[in-house]
Amino acid sequence: IVMTQTPHSLSVTPGQPASLSCTSSQSLLHSDGETYVHWYFQRAGQPPQLLISEVSNRFSGVPDRFRGSGSGTEFTLRITRVEAEDVGVYYCVQTVQLPWTFGQGTKVEMK
Amino acid sequence: QVRLVQSGAEVKKPGTSVKVSCRASGGTFRNSAISWVRQAPGQGPEWLGRFIPTIGSSNYVQKLRNRVTFDADETMTTAYLVLSRLRSEDSAVYYCARGGYFGSGSHGMAAWGQGTTVIVSS
Repeated sequence: IVMTQTPHSLSVTPGQPASLSCTSSQSLLHSDGETYVHWYFQRAGQPPQLLISEVSNRFSGVPDRFRGSGSGTEFTLRITRVEAEDVGVYYCVQTVQLPWTFGQGTKVEMK
Repeated sequence: QVRLVQSGAEVKKPGTSVKVSCRASGGTFRNSAISWVRQAPGQGPEWLGRFIPTIGSSNYVQKLRNRVTFDADETMTTAYLVLSRLRSEDSAVYYCARGGYFGSGSHGMAAWGQGTTVIVSS
């Protein structure tokens, strides 16, 4: 399954919202009723860290300004108010079908 | 909360093998899937496959199927990746990550190792 993220990069003013898109080449809805798309954030020199699992479940400790949504093949990560610490690369990942696949990432920078 | 601690950096010659370990501190890999992910310089992460020690199941990406092996110790606290017949294009940071699988909870890879740099050079 190919995961396509847009935009490739995003320059955001602190305090403003940001919207990141992820499109899959096949539906990520499994027969068990769950949709297996997840969002990760990576700072330079650090491992990726889980932000959102199964479309919209914020991982423990993730600020509520991060919101995941979508269904089928179209998914969105919204940051309601971008902060300086949000600078880095965001990846969507599908786990409905082997091999699991990452999107190519969206780089978020501060204006 | 489980913390994953990986082995140190490796410099290897082409054609040789590398073994990377991933130790779970504060927990085990029981009922978990251990994914291995690598990231070449300036590139995005690439999922290499996963190992589920509870059921002894491994899945590998097609391109590495003949060169990579996953394993774990009997206590399910340390996982291993072995990559053989190394090539220069295998130079990357290798990460282990712990998550769920179908029937065992969320698939989100919640815990990650710090990464192991593998350099393949003659």
